[in-house]
Amino acid sequence: EAQVTQNPRYLITVTGKKLTVTCSQNMNHEYMSWYRQDPGLGLRQIYYSMNVEVTDKGDVPEGYKVSRKEKRNFPLILESPSPNQTSLYFCASRQDRVTEAFFGQGTRLTVV
Amino acid sequence: TQLLEQSPQFLSIQEGENLTVYCNSSSVFSSLQWYRQEPGEGPVLLVTVVTGGEVKKLKRLTFQFGDARKDSSLHITAAQPGDTGLYLCAGEGDSGYALNFGKGTSLLVTP
Repeated sequence: EAQVTQNPRYLITVTGKKLTVTCSQNMNHEYMSWYRQDPGLGLRQIYYSMNVEVTDKGDVPEGYKVSRKEKRNFPLILESPSPNQTSLYFCASRQDRVTEAFFGQGTRLTVV
Repeated sequence: TQLLEQSPQFLSIQEGENLTVYCNSSSVFSSLQWYRQEPGEGPVLLVTVVTGGEVKKLKRLTFQFGDARKDSSLHITAAQPGDTGLYLCAGEGDSGYALNFGKGTSLLVTP
């Protein structure tokens, strides 16, 4: 089954404790992205990747890092999480510029 | 960043009514996509419109891409409770690789 898998689904952590949210897709897609979704602000892009070892900043990259060492994986790293990074995070992948974006089921992160 | 403005932000209607949701921008897009998101889930693609003036139908949903490719609309005929959800429009960002989303229209259809 074609899918994007994120882990964990839910995470509560403390300020400053490094964490990684994993994302994996099994569709051999070129493009992968991370978004955060907040009430009243919609889906905002954090980082995206056009291919292995090629990443670029989205609209809200501060406080986040990503890597794309393999085509299927695109982890999101928060080196020192802060409460303003409490949000619902989505990973997405798509094959090219006009095709469907497939989303993971989301990771609800709470930073206290 | 190419902004997509959606209206209305919230819509609460009764079963059987018709509605239209709008997605507007000052920028030209090569294509626009419409997604639907249910609580606790990721967005799922409904349609992609590519050609200016294009109209696509998906059962009771009709999507239109403006002639100038700056705007799009989603019309739902005889809405049903199962249509309840968040409707999002999306278009390519400035780089051509990123996909930017509008803030969405939250639709509630009551029996």
